[in-house]
Amino acid sequence: GENVEQHPSTLSVQEGDSAVIKCTYSDSASNYFPWYKQELGKRPQLIIDIRSNVGEKKDQRIAVTLNKTAKHFSLHITETQPEDSAVYFCAVAGGKLIFGQGTELSVKP
Amino acid sequence: EAGVAQSPRYKIIEKRQSVAFWCNPISGHATLYWYQQILGQGPKLLIQFQNNGVVDDSQLPKDRFSAERLKGVDSTLKIQPAKLEDSAVYLCASSLAGGMNNQPQHFGDGTRLSIL
Repeated sequence: GENVEQHPSTLSVQEGDSAVIKCTYSDSASNYFPWYKQELGKRPQLIIDIRSNVGEKKDQRIAVTLNKTAKHFSLHITETQPEDSAVYFCAVAGGKLIFGQGTELSVKP
Repeated sequence: EAGVAQSPRYKIIEKRQSVAFWCNPISGHATLYWYQQILGQGPKLLIQFQNNGVVDDSQLPKDRFSAERLKGVDSTLKIQPAKLEDSAVYLCASSLAGGMNNQPQHFGDGTRLSIL
């Protein structure tokens, strides 16, 4: 079955810096890659997604890049703000949605 | 639009007791999912419905877990009897019909279950 690895597990940055979270997957048939943000005690919220026919997608300060050949995709957050602090999950759709283990992002003011 | 509604928000029971969770998806969303999220991990799919039919229940512990979506809208997830390792947040999500696994899934706030 599909295997999703997410790194790093924790990430601490200064406000204004950029943050990058990477995920790798195993099933080359996977074709949908969403990212979720989950604040403590809250629901996972979809922040951006990308499909396999696109290499990059951007939404304001958030971007996702996909390398299908290498089977990895990354979330990029620029100009980080304290309210970006949360756990971020990547996910891969290959028959079902498989989530990564999560990255706890801390943005220090 | 109204989001995915779940109840209760919290539940504390003793092991071997039973518990039920309820979910109302976003209006018009034909696909409904139940996930289990153990502390410090990503959500894990338990069961997926398309309307009132089961699409995937391969990771549902069927000896103790059951779920139904009788009229293709609301859904109920039940655990009987509960074990200590069932302590987790149970999340419900929904998405539009068609290309089920390539449609954005929207989550409810979840039910936090604690087993004593």
